[in-house]
Amino acid sequence: QKEVEQNSGPLSVPEGAIASLNCTYSDRGSQSFFWYRQYSGKSPELIMFIYSNGDKEDGRFTAQLNKASQYVSLLIRDSQPSDSATYLCAVNAGYGNNRLAFGKGNQVVVIP
Amino acid sequence: DAGITQSPRYKITETGRQVTLMCHQTWSHSYMFWYRQDLGHGLRLIYYSAAADITDKGEVPDGYVVSRSKTENFPLTLESATRSQTSVYFCASSEGQGRNQPQHFGDGTRLSIL
Repeated sequence: QKEVEQNSGPLSVPEGAIASLNCTYSDRGSQSFFWYRQYSGKSPELIMFIYSNGDKEDGRFTAQLNKASQYVSLLIRDSQPSDSATYLCAVNAGYGNNRLAFGKGNQVVVIP
Repeated sequence: DAGITQSPRYKITETGRQVTLMCHQTWSHSYMFWYRQDLGHGLRLIYYSAAADITDKGEVPDGYVVSRSKTENFPLTLESATRSQTSVYFCASSEGQGRNQPQHFGDGTRLSIL
């Protein structure tokens, strides 16, 4: 069974600080990694994807991938109250059918 | 650009009733997916479809039926609703195979079964 773990509890960060979220996955064959943001009562929204080791930056968001250690992380720089949401890590787990394995999510609360 | 739309947005029904949730996408995406999201469980895949007339089970298919006669539509039917099927249901779609194919989600249907 493909597993994606997001273990840390709710994360509270002051406005302007960096929020750091981590995700580990079990299948070494995983090739694509996605971060979704989900506001309360809304649907998941894609914010980043990464498939090569290293960093990928998009605005205030940076995704980091380390395939050897089987983890992917998301950094949110200059956190804003509008970043308060649940962040879902998703992994294309090599099913060959575009299926994604999702973590349960991490809640981020940005404190003004 | 309508994208992916789900209907209804909210539905209340009684146990034992049949209910169908609709999903329609305008992108001509090959793949479509149905998830349910419950507190403590995250997103769980119910069924998915790789193309018209091709469907397959996900993690939690029991009690659900799907069909896909046209590429753009992927309805989900609860044949005899149970209280345990009270949940938020999301439909998603993605393009054909390729390692960077993200899924795009509809707005969801909040289903309550009394």
